[in-house]
Amino acid sequence: GEDVEQSLFLSVREGDSSVINCTYTDSSSTYLYWYKQEPGAGLQLLTYIFSNMDMKQDQRLTVLLNKKDKHLSLRIADTQTGDSAIYFCAGGNALIFGKGTTLSVSS
Amino acid sequence: ETGVTQTPRHLVMGMTNKKSLKCEQHLGHNAMYWYKQSAKKPLELMFVYNFKEQTENNSVPSRFSPECPNSSHLFLHLHTLQPEDSALYLCASSQTGGGDTEAFFGQGTRLTVV
Repeated sequence: GEDVEQSLFLSVREGDSSVINCTYTDSSSTYLYWYKQEPGAGLQLLTYIFSNMDMKQDQRLTVLLNKKDKHLSLRIADTQTGDSAIYFCAGGNALIFGKGTTLSVSS
Repeated sequence: ETGVTQTPRHLVMGMTNKKSLKCEQHLGHNAMYWYKQSAKKPLELMFVYNFKEQTENNSVPSRFSPECPNSSHLFLHLHTLQPEDSALYLCASSQTGGGDTEAFFGQGTRLTVV
């Protein structure tokens, strides 16, 4: 079946860049998504990329898509303590989520 | 506020109880989803409804019974649950069910089975 894999933890210092990686198996996804979940809250869409694009930039966020390798990444520039959260990549016809990457930002 | 409302926010139930979780959206979306998020497992898709028809049942035990009376409402009926069913249950909706549009999530119902 469809599968989405992510690394579980990432720890960075404030002001550094964060890169969260994701691999997926379902190549039929029209869109691939990044969701953010803050403590005690539901999931919120952070950004998404159309499957025929290689890169999308949205303020501090850069999404890179390598369709050949089925690899998606999210780069957060100038990471802030408020960026500490769990980040999920998702895709596929039934919106399958990865396990989530816990980003910890230290000051 | 995402436009998807889940009630109750917290629920404690015994293993012999019957309860229901409710999800409501007035975004005009045609697809609704139930996800389970527990501490030990990744976010798991449980059910998908598209235009009120169930299009996905991800091998969910029969003690979880979904109901979608219309495109705006989705229920998850619970009966004879086990302690390992304790988790955050998230509802989501999207314009269509093909993964082609953004999904909006509710805040979730934190379920504890005792």
